[in-house]
Amino acid sequence: DTAVSQTPKYLVTQMGNDKSIKCEQNLGHDTMYWYKQDSKKFLKIMFSYNNKELIINETVPNRFSPKSPDKAHLNLHINSLELGDSAVYFCASSQVAGLGPQHFGDGTRLSIL
Amino acid sequence: SQQGEEDPQALSIQEGENATMNCSYKTSINNLQWYRQNSGRGLVHLILIRSNEREKHSGRLRVTLDTSKKSSSLLITASRAADTASYFCATLTGGGADGLTFGKGTHLIIQP
Repeated sequence: DTAVSQTPKYLVTQMGNDKSIKCEQNLGHDTMYWYKQDSKKFLKIMFSYNNKELIINETVPNRFSPKSPDKAHLNLHINSLELGDSAVYFCASSQVAGLGPQHFGDGTRLSIL
Repeated sequence: SQQGEEDPQALSIQEGENATMNCSYKTSINNLQWYRQNSGRGLVHLILIRSNEREKHSGRLRVTLDTSKKSSSLLITASRAADTASYFCATLTGGGADGLTFGKGTHLIIQP
């Protein structure tokens, strides 16, 4: 059983489009995250979501918006995609209000043409 | 600003040798964690060390933490080809909802 699953694994699209990435965790964790990994493998937190509280990294453009239909899901919506959005996006989850280890999905590689 | 900085950026050793990676950070932390990332995959949690701990072991892994120097090291003993991966340190500086701050990683290659 996959603990944190993301779909799709690959996403190729054109500039200006709107796209979504889905994330689901079956671990019963109370906190979920989105991270962005750039071409140099640098990982940066984008969002965290815990008990309906959303914390946003101030550097994230407002074209990015997370949506959580329930505790097990945190989807990422991106509007008006730009070339600089090309990266690998990882979803993660943790329990203990985020103080413990985080469990990561396998990532979604987003390529903007 | 970058919180964690791993050193070296790349490391190539022979199978069976020990591998040591270092991590430095800038601000006070709640805990420090090490993760492994195989090519094309997500990150896998290896070990977590709290700010009031100095050393922790897990199998072939040994992590040390020196909060006075704001540094940590990860030692992998008796390396195997399967240990080839990128290794990241990550710090938790506030509450868990803030997410982790990652370093740039060390790419470890184990030569058979």
